[in-house]
Amino acid sequence: QKEVEQDPGPLSVPEGAIVSLNCTYSNSAFQYFMWYRQYSRKGPELLMYTYSSGNKEDGRFTAQVDKSSKYISLFIRDSQPSDSATYLCAMGGNAGGTSYGKLTFGQGTILTVHP
Amino acid sequence: DADVTQTPRNRITKTGKRIMLECSQTKGHDRMYWYRQDPGLGLQLIYYSFDVKDINKGEISDGYSVSRQAQAKFSLSLESAIPNQTALYFCATSDPGRGANEQFFGPGTRLTVL
Repeated sequence: QKEVEQDPGPLSVPEGAIVSLNCTYSNSAFQYFMWYRQYSRKGPELLMYTYSSGNKEDGRFTAQVDKSSKYISLFIRDSQPSDSATYLCAMGGNAGGTSYGKLTFGQGTILTVHP
Repeated sequence: DADVTQTPRNRITKTGKRIMLECSQTKGHDRMYWYRQDPGLGLQLIYYSFDVKDINKGEISDGYSVSRQAQAKFSLSLESAIPNQTALYFCATSDPGRGANEQFFGPGTRLTVL
């Protein structure tokens, strides 16, 4: 079983829809939770960064972390065609742990937002 | 802009050939990483280096080697390429002073082994 599991999709939604992307994980040492966005033929770029449990909002994007359930989510409100990309969750650990300074990625979810 | 660059961007080679992928960064970061990306598998860590004298194996290091020539340069070599090494390869950097878990990626190298 992988340490991080992500539904690969693909996911296709109409413009304006609310999108929910999710990852589960098994390593309780993970403390940092990230979402990366990757456009076709490009490298991943950091979209959201969260430490420990809770919510973080940035414009149309909201990241949620539930450490008790080992579950993280990314919500996209009012989705736009420009949001069409692959979304990767990633996780890392605290200093002193074996996962510190390294990231473990989910498989990525391919999202298409059609006009 | 401070950046992460990779060369070549595309490469086609034959089974058994030795090939080197290069990564350079102007971000001034100490930490550098090599990943491969396959459809449906996300990013898998091949090697990582926390400074010039520190190199570590990742999840899938077999068949690969690396060299950290300087703080700004980290190369990945395939000593004898095989077809299942056909993939997209990414270099990344991070700065422990800023947030060790935030990584910045290069544009990738698409490698095809025939």
